[in-house]
Amino acid sequence: DIQMTQSPSSLSASVGDRVTITCRASQGIGNYLVWFQQKPGKAPKSLIYAASSLQSGVPSKFSGSGSGTDFTLTISSLQPEDFATYYCQQYYSYPLTFGGGTKVEIK
Amino acid sequence: EEQLVESGGGLVQPGGSLSLSCAASGFTFSSHWMSWVRQAPGKGLEWVANIKEDGREKYYVDSVKGRFTISRDNAKNSLYLQMNSLRAEDMAVYYCARDLPHRGGYFPHYHYYYYMDVWGKGTTVTVSS
Repeated sequence: DIQMTQSPSSLSASVGDRVTITCRASQGIGNYLVWFQQKPGKAPKSLIYAASSLQSGVPSKFSGSGSGTDFTLTISSLQPEDFATYYCQQYYSYPLTFGGGTKVEIK
Repeated sequence: EEQLVESGGGLVQPGGSLSLSCAASGFTFSSHWMSWVRQAPGKGLEWVANIKEDGREKYYVDSVKGRFTISRDNAKNSLYLQMNSLRAEDMAVYYCARDLPHRGGYFPHYHYYYYMDVWGKGTTVTVSS
C-alpha cells in the first residue's frame, strides 16, 4: 500500500498568511493526487485534482504542485472560511489512501 | 445540482449487518464510478470501496474484504454498501462519492485513474453492544 504522509499535522496561522501543506507518498504516484478540505461535521470538499488542477468553483487562492512523491497545497492568503482540515489522497493505485490530515487553526 | 444522499446508518451489535444506500441525482449516475469512504470518530478519512459504471469491477480496502459488498442499481440511481460481520473498528461516518476519470498514459495506451469529487453528507454507523 502507498503511504501518504502530511506535514505538519496542524498549524496556527493568521488571516492573510500564506500557508503551505506538504504531502509525501511512499512511492511515486505521478500526478495522481487530490486535495480535500473538510470542516467540522461536514463532508470533504475537493479542491485540487491531478496534483495542480483547480476543481471547478474553487477560488484561485488555492494551488497545488508536485509530482512523483512530493506535493504541496498552498493557500495564498488565508481567510476565516479556510480554517479547516486538509487531506491529500493518492489515486494511483489500490487501495486508495489518504494522508493523516493537516488542521489549520486560527492564531 | 449534483447531489448524493446516504441513508441506512444506525446502531448495530458487533457481528451484525447493515446495508447503506446512496441516492444520486443531478448527474448521469450510470456514467460514473462510485466510491464509499469512511471516517471514524475524531479520525481521518479511509477509502472503503469503489465500483465501475456497470458494476463489473469492484475494489476494496483489505480490512473489509469478505465482509463488505459494494453494488449499484443504475435504474434506481443508487449505490449500496452491504456490511456484514461488523466490528467496533467499522464504526464511522460513511460517505458515498462520485468518481471522475483522470486519463493517464500515452496514445494509444491510455489508462484511467479515478478521483472523488462530489460527496454526500454521510450516514453514521455505530457498532456497539
